[in-house]
Parts: sequence; C-alpha cells; structure tokens
Amino acid sequence: GAVVSQHPSWVICKSGTSVKIECRSLDFQATTMFWYRQFPKQSLMLMATSNEGSKATYEQGVEKDKFLINHASLTLSTLTVTSAHPEDSSFYICSARLDGLSRTGELFFGEGSRLTVL
Amino acid sequence: AQTVTQSQPEMSVQEAETVTLSCTYDTSESDYYLFWYKQPPSRQMILVIRQEAYKQQNATENRFSVNFQKAAKSFSLKISDSQLGDAAMYFCAYRSPDYDMRFGAGTRLTVKP
Repeated sequence: GAVVSQHPSWVICKSGTSVKIECRSLDFQATTMFWYRQFPKQSLMLMATSNEGSKATYEQGVEKDKFLINHASLTLSTLTVTSAHPEDSSFYICSARLDGLSRTGELFFGEGSRLTVL
Repeated sequence: AQTVTQSQPEMSVQEAETVTLSCTYDTSESDYYLFWYKQPPSRQMILVIRQEAYKQQNATENRFSVNFQKAAKSFSLKISDSQLGDAAMYFCAYRSPDYDMRFGAGTRLTVKP
C-alpha cells in the first residue's frame, strides 16, 4: 500500500528557532500534499495545500510567512515553522494524493509530527 | 465551503455490542467521497471505511458499515461486535473532487469490557 512518512515524529525546540518537518511519499508520486494541524483533543485543521513546483495554497488565517511550505520533488514536501513560539506547539500531520487515477479516492496520511516549543 | 458535523463528542459501548456514530455534512457538490478515520493514541490516522457519493450501496468493511443517506447528507458509522481495540477517536471526513478534505470534530469512543 501507499506509505507516507513524516520526520521527525517529535521535536522540541527553543522559542525563536525554526523547525523543518518533512513529509515523504515512499512508494508513489504525489504532486499534491496537504498539511494539517491538530490541537489536543481537537480535529484536524487544513493549513495548506502543497503543490510540486509551485507555491502552496494557504487556508484563511494561516500565516504563510510563519509556515513555509516547499514541495521540491514529487515525493517530498517540507513544512518549516519559522521563529517558533510556544503557541505553535501542536501536532502536524501531512497527507498525500496518489498521482494518476486513484480508484480509492483516499489520501494517505503520515504518522504526524509533534512540535513542542519551549 | 463544506462542513462536517459530528454531534457526539463521546460515545461508549459495551464490548461485543453495536454502536453507531453520527455524521452530517453540507455540500453543494454532487461528486465527492466520504470517509471514517480512526485515530488511536498513537495519533496515526487509520482509514476505517470509504463511500463514493455516486454509489447508492452502503459500504461495508468487516464489522464496520455505513448508512449513507445522500439526500439527507448523513453518513453514520456502525461498529458491530465492538472490541477493546476499537477504542479511539473517530473522525468523519468529506473529500471534494479536488481532494480538499475536511474533518468533523471527532467522536471519542470508549469500549467497556
């Protein structure tokens, strides 16, 4: 089956530093990937749509300068949280769309990355 | 914009019994997908079952089945013969033709031994 891997799974950083989270599709190409944020005991909120070779599309209210997204290849999208602050602490999940005709219509999710900003 | 509503923040079921989780959604599109995902404490999103909107037949997957009422925009999940391993957060999700996926607030399912 299609596998999506996120790295790191858990990261702790100091306030003011930047953190990069990677999302990789291991056995398929994904022109489009999605980034979600999940607060404790809450649902997944779509942050942005990442498209290979073009700028990401951000949801309303998401700061594009704070959350930099780069989709440089067909198997890798990165989310960089710049100048992180404690309020950026959250669980970040990516998902990927299988290129070509997907008979299942589903997205494939990574394991998630827990960010803690001290 | 599409919205997904799960009106049951928490549900509880006795082991081996049946439980139904509710989900409604709002959309003006005719072609879309609906999903139920399970999120255990590990936070990994696990696909439970999917339903294509153009299919009238309700999807089933072993002990999991859905009641898809397109006109009512309702998509409930029935778990039969509940097991302790079914305890988790369950999210209902709507996916539009352009792969924009939106999630409900979730239902926390507890299974009592």
